[in-house]
Amino acid sequence: GQSLEQPSEVTAVEGAIVQINCTYQTSGFYGLSWYQQHDGGAPTFLSYNALDGLEETGRFSSFLSRSDSYGYLLLQELQMKDSASYFCAVNRDDKIIFGKGTRLHILP
Amino acid sequence: EAGVTQSPTHLIKTRGQQATLRCSPISGHTSVYWYQQALGLGLQFLLWYDEGEERNRGNFPPRFSGRQFPNYSSELNVNALELEDSALYLCASSLTGGDEKLFFGSGTQLSVL
Repeated sequence: GQSLEQPSEVTAVEGAIVQINCTYQTSGFYGLSWYQQHDGGAPTFLSYNALDGLEETGRFSSFLSRSDSYGYLLLQELQMKDSASYFCAVNRDDKIIFGKGTRLHILP
Repeated sequence: EAGVTQSPTHLIKTRGQQATLRCSPISGHTSVYWYQQALGLGLQFLLWYDEGEERNRGNFPPRFSGRQFPNYSSELNVNALELEDSALYLCASSLTGGDEKLFFGSGTQLSVL
């Protein structure tokens, strides 16, 4: 089958670092993507890992390990505006499927 | 450059009716995806259109259908509406069928009473 598992909620403090994990039970996909969705807003693309390793884009980094069926999104120097839901996604069998999302709560 | 636009923003229907949702992709994008986002269930893949053809569909009944027009805009039709069809319906576009980066519209909130 195809499934992506993410924690439903994560809480962190403003200015800190937080890691959102994504594990998957699927094979033969092309890479792992991450999206951010604020309440009432549209999901927006954050990053895509086509290969194993770490991709860095400003305060956000994303990691993929195919051998461990695992990836994560790392958010540094957390700001209140980072409070949102974060989704991992894979392209498998000509469909892009999403995890159920992780709600990130940031405390001042 | 205009983003992905969806209409209407909100739609209220009663059980058994039909709903039509519309999506205009970013100019130059040929692929359109439809997702259903019900509360707490994440994004459920509905349909993928590319170059005017349906390329794939998710695990939804046949009363969910759609099409893509020659200008790459798309519409999603939901027949015989049921209460559980109430959800946010999101449309996304990508430059080509193989592009991993999706650009989402703000969605149509469908309420079935």
